Amino acid sequence: QLQLQESGPGLVKPSETLSLTCTVSGGSISSSNYYWGWIRQPPGKGLEWIGSIYYSGSTYYNPSLRSRVTISVDTSKNQFSLKLSSVTAADTAVYYCARHSSVTTGNFQHWGQGTLVTVSS
Amino acid sequence: QSALTQPRSVSGSPGQSVTISCTGASSDVGGYNYVSWYQQHPGKAPKLMIYDVSKRPSGVPDRFSGSKSGNTASLYISGLQAEDEADYYCCSYAGNYSLVFGGGTKLTVL
Repeated sequence: QLQLQESGPGLVKPSETLSLTCTVSGGSISSSNYYWGWIRQPPGKGLEWIGSIYYSGSTYYNPSLRSRVTISVDTSKNQFSLKLSSVTAADTAVYYCARHSSVTTGNFQHWGQGTLVTVSS
Repeated sequence: QSALTQPRSVSGSPGQSVTISCTGASSDVGGYNYVSWYQQHPGKAPKLMIYDVSKRPSGVPDRFSGSKSGNTASLYISGLQAEDEADYYCCSYAGNYSLVFGGGTKLTVL
């Protein structure tokens, strides 16, 4: 059974870089059928797609976050990662990693449990 | 890209039906048959309920169905049950390899 688990610091200072890792178990991140994405949800607010990556390293980003986001993949560790630079309080959110079958379809069928990241000094 | 527009809240009694709308533009909802719907209970990760406008993943009750007309997609829930009370989000492909979510709708089962 596929499982995704987010990990990383729960507290990040303003202007610094938020770094999270998603570890995939029960399946290979190198499967040619799937893409791996990051989605966030500020407290009490809606979902926002951050970006996605294919195992080959091809990346796709939300245009509104593109200048600050880097998503990478480590197939040897079955992990993919998110870096968000120059964070502010507005980046405080629960961050989810998820798997979807195409970059054009938002059918995120498998999700991690989410991890809360707070931006505060 | 702007978030898709959903009603803030809808409600219905057990056994009744409700429809949740998701309005976008010709550049997203109206331009592609790639709309998905998610159910989210408090403190939980979202769950995929509908994809590609009207397809149901295995395990999702057939009480849940989806459709699209022009720039508006809809999620229809029949035979409301207490466990259907949750937040619902739509998501659409928005071109140029990007995705956009709706603002979310809180469903209350009276």
